Amino acid sequence: GENVEQHPSTLSVQEGDSAVIKCTYSDSASNYFPWYKQELGKGPQLIIDIRSNVGEKKDQRIAVTLNKTAKHFSLHITETQPEDSAVYFCAARRDDKIIFGKGTRLHILP
Amino acid sequence: DAGVIQSPRHEVTEMGQEVTLRCKPISGHDYLFWYRQTMMRGLELLIYFNNNVPIDDSGMPEDRFSAKMPNASFSTLKIQPSEPRDSAVYFCASSLSVDTQYFGPGTRLTVL
Repeated sequence: GENVEQHPSTLSVQEGDSAVIKCTYSDSASNYFPWYKQELGKGPQLIIDIRSNVGEKKDQRIAVTLNKTAKHFSLHITETQPEDSAVYFCAARRDDKIIFGKGTRLHILP
Repeated sequence: DAGVIQSPRHEVTEMGQEVTLRCKPISGHDYLFWYRQTMMRGLELLIYFNNNVPIDDSGMPEDRFSAKMPNASFSTLKIQPSEPRDSAVYFCASSLSVDTQYFGPGTRLTVL
């Protein structure tokens, strides 16, 4: 089955700097890669996603990249703000299942 | 839209008791998922339904866990009997397809 590894588990960046979270997946048949943000006491919320026929996607300060050959995908947040502090999950879909990474706790330092 | 609704938000019970978690998906969504979140294991898919039919329950940890979806607007996850290791946050999510899943606020279960 699919296995998703996520790094780092914790990340602290200065407000205004960029944050990068990286994930790898094991199943080359996976074709959909969403990213979720989870704030304290809430359920995960989809923030951006990318499909296997696309290499990069941007939405304002957030971008995702996908390297199918290496089975890597990454989340980039630029000009970080205090409200970006949360836990971020990457995920990969194979058939009808979405498998989540273990999450990255992002701290934005003032 | 109210989003996915889960109840209760918090549940504290004693070992051996029956626990029932409830979920109302977003109207019109064909898929409903139950997840469990713990620090050790992260987000795990327990079971999912398509058009009220259970499709894959391979993530259900034991026979003590059962889930039903009697109609398109309601699902339950039951644990009987509950054990301390069942303590976790349980999420329900719904979607039009498997891809874009909308999560509820979760139920924090504590089994003493």
